[in-house]
Amino acid sequence: GDSVTQMEGPVTLSEEAFLTINCTYTATGYPSLFWYVQYPGEGLQLLLKATKADDKGSNKGFEATYRKETTSFHLEKGSVQVSDSAVYFCALSSYGGSQGNLIFGKGTKLSVKP
Amino acid sequence: GAVVSQHPSWVICKSGTSVKIECRSLDFQATTMFWYRQFPKQSLMLMATSNEGSKATYEQGVEKDKFLINHASLTLSTLTVTSAHPEDSSFYICSARSRGGLSNQPQHFGDGTRLSIL
Repeated sequence: GDSVTQMEGPVTLSEEAFLTINCTYTATGYPSLFWYVQYPGEGLQLLLKATKADDKGSNKGFEATYRKETTSFHLEKGSVQVSDSAVYFCALSSYGGSQGNLIFGKGTKLSVKP
Repeated sequence: GAVVSQHPSWVICKSGTSVKIECRSLDFQATTMFWYRQFPKQSLMLMATSNEGSKATYEQGVEKDKFLINHASLTLSTLTVTSAHPEDSSFYICSARSRGGLSNQPQHFGDGTRLSIL
């Protein structure tokens, strides 16, 4: 079945460092890909998305490009801030599925130190 | 943007009681709502999918009689944990997708409910 694999954390960076969180997926068909962020004690917020190959999603300085050839959707940010500390989830939704359920990776906890 | 309100945010109750969690879409109509369970330091596990006016679809291994889901309107879905026990303690999160939303449209999440059963 469909699945998402993302790098295990925790990831600890200093402020202004470059961030990469790897995410690869396995899916039949043509999934849509998402990154969600969860701040402590809160639900999930959509960070960015891409719905087809070569699409680049971007928001708040974060970017991820839908790479069909490598089945990847790595999250990047050029300069992280302390406020970016959170858990990041990569997810896919299979287009054409009856429900369009989201399948999540296990999450990567990011801690940014001042 | 789309807002989903989940209530209560935190509940503590005795073993054997039933707990109802509400999920409301505040500024859009949600044909489909999803209920997830999140264990500490783990990912979200889909429990069930509810469609307005029809029975919920439960994932394998989720007890239908234990976790009752009602989606009576386009803006409200409820999850009732019946006869809750300590092993039901968890973080429950709902999400909603707008009416007419395709599977490639994002789900909007509530802030979650932390359930602690003593």
